[in-house]
Amino acid sequence: GAGVSQTPSNKVTEKGKYVELRCDPISGHTALYWYRQSLGQGPEFLIYFQGTGAADDSGLPNDRFFAVRPEGSVSTLKIQRTERGDSAVYLCASSLTGTSPYNEQFFGPGTRLTVL
Amino acid sequence: KQEVTQIPAALSVPEGENLVLNCSFTDSAIYNLQWFRQDPGKGLTSLLLIQSSQREQTSGRLNASLDKSSGRSTLYIAASQPGDSATYLCAAPQGDNYGQNFVFGPGTRLSVLP
Repeated sequence: GAGVSQTPSNKVTEKGKYVELRCDPISGHTALYWYRQSLGQGPEFLIYFQGTGAADDSGLPNDRFFAVRPEGSVSTLKIQRTERGDSAVYLCASSLTGTSPYNEQFFGPGTRLTVL
Repeated sequence: KQEVTQIPAALSVPEGENLVLNCSFTDSAIYNLQWFRQDPGKGLTSLLLIQSSQREQTSGRLNASLDKSSGRSTLYIAASQPGDSATYLCAAPQGDNYGQNFVFGPGTRLSVLP
């Protein structure tokens, strides 16, 4: 596609529920990243995929968070037993490859998650 | 652990002024650094990616420099316009990787007044 797309744009859920956030990267980009951004702060890294594998998941805050990219394109970020502190904008980015210094990341519009 | 700071936190200038935004990082073992802009309620737009082998990178009215030894990068905006109003973020890699794990600064909120 022309750019990184994310769905849904907004998600409101209740505490304790399960949510899935989807990211469609730029076609041909092998690297995909998830970040989350709280109000007034810069994005915070969550996880990086190179192809189908999670090459770095050091930013996932706890085991309630999980992400997959089974075919090396679309990725889903899954959050179990949501908590109010999970409320944030979840951003997805992609780049041509993560194994080069020419690694310009392109971001999607984000999914705003609100946990009531 | 990489830490990124940006000053000033906010800046308001009249249209037409040239301005400089500053970014500092603590771990200089980086291969690249990227500048973004973010409009309210929107995602990030890539402005410039500077590799460590480069000292400067230019795109239109934007010029970014990188000084690894001092742990600093600057974004220079020439002849500012109201459309430049946004939050500007810099991001440096965590450790000596190619930017897979970006650490972002808190941003500089720029207002350009007509």
